[in-house]
Amino acid sequence: GEDVEQSLFLSVREGDSSVINCTYTDSSSTYLYWYKQEPGAGLQLLTYIFSNMDMKQDQRLTVLLNKKDKHLSLRIADTQTGDSAIYFCAEKVGDYKLSFGAGTTVTVRA
Amino acid sequence: GAVVSQHPSWVICKSGTSVKIECRSLDFQATTMFWYRQFPKQSLMLMATSNEGSKATYEQGVEKDKFLINHASLTLSTLTVTSAHPEDSSFYICSARPHFKPGQGPPDGYTFGSGTRLTVV
Repeated sequence: GEDVEQSLFLSVREGDSSVINCTYTDSSSTYLYWYKQEPGAGLQLLTYIFSNMDMKQDQRLTVLLNKKDKHLSLRIADTQTGDSAIYFCAEKVGDYKLSFGAGTTVTVRA
Repeated sequence: GAVVSQHPSWVICKSGTSVKIECRSLDFQATTMFWYRQFPKQSLMLMATSNEGSKATYEQGVEKDKFLINHASLTLSTLTVTSAHPEDSSFYICSARPHFKPGQGPPDGYTFGSGTRLTVV
């Protein structure tokens, strides 16, 4: 997990936008992912981006990729209380392995 | 969509006993399954990659005699924690990858189980 780094905590007010940042090291990564983990549960794929893309939008989620800086971000618009969770950034390494960051705990306050 | 069932969700066992965790792909065949371990408030650490019909590939530092992996069919992989000790207490998560030709496969081809909370007392 050391190859992928992300901030550990984010507190955001309900209705505001959340931005979670991630940096990775493997320049050959083909796909980068964002997963969501709720307490005591497994991982749910939120979205992904192919390495030749700069941006991807999916409803309230916007992913930005700066391949030069190896920087990935996830923006959640109109953050809701149900968005409180741990968000993991992951890069695909080689044919099938995923390397995860440490996770960002997002807390949504009223 | 693809569903992976992991069982049990939680287990408490005595030190020295063995515990088996099952990971099943319910609606697809999984050529490859992955076993992760997650410590509290930390990331997922890949323990091993299991391929149907062959020996698992363990990551560096993971004891293969301690964590036995069996992938006997395209829909089932098991992780057995042998002679468990309190330091083995953790959250174990499996994921499965559908069968695709090498280099192919959808980017969202990794489906995760809901995890197993193991507590060794």
